Amino acid sequence: LAKTTQPISMDSYEGQEVNITCSHNNIATNDYITWYQQFPSQGPRFIIQGYKTKVTNEVASLFIPADRKSSTLSLPRVSLSDTAVYYCLVGATGFQKLVFGTGTRLLVSP
Amino acid sequence: DVKVTQSSRYLVKRTGEKVFLECVQDMDHENMFWYRQDPGLGLRLIYFSYDVKMKEKGDIPEGYSVSREKKERFSLILESASTNQTSMYLCASSSGTGAGYGYTFGSGTRLTVV
Repeated sequence: LAKTTQPISMDSYEGQEVNITCSHNNIATNDYITWYQQFPSQGPRFIIQGYKTKVTNEVASLFIPADRKSSTLSLPRVSLSDTAVYYCLVGATGFQKLVFGTGTRLLVSP
Repeated sequence: DVKVTQSSRYLVKRTGEKVFLECVQDMDHENMFWYRQDPGLGLRLIYFSYDVKMKEKGDIPEGYSVSREKKERFSLILESASTNQTSMYLCASSSGTGAGYGYTFGSGTRLTVV
């Protein structure tokens, strides 16, 4: 399982764009990159997944460079409600278990 | 939307009690998981199941057991609760295993053992 490294915490203000980068130097050819969001006292919520290049949905964008050794979750124009912990995970469809790191704690202030 | 429902949001149990945490999913997913979450340690996998009556140990199975008699239900059992099992317990389900599939989590059960 490819180990991931992401910042422990980040601070931002409402309306700003936030980019959270995750390093996964040992990513394997068949691994996907997935991001989850977790609010206090709730379970994590799947927000976006990608394999290469760029993926965008209604919540976020995910940028993956050609070497796939890192990825960046981009949250456009954050609001107070985006304050949460964001987890980056890497693994393949055949993997038997999903391993979460400690995530990045994002604090959005007014 | 897939729903994963955990039977209790908060539980307080005494040391030595047998504790059952129940989880039900409504999307016919084959795979179900139990995690615990503690400050500074992130989420740690306790057990998972990829089919009825099948189970696999995760990273921290000691002191726990599981039961999966029906596809939609996955129970976590603390045979003799101890104070170090005070934690947030999260159940999840998915149609596949690994990061290639999105996992749906329940809202969690915060268990306090006194």
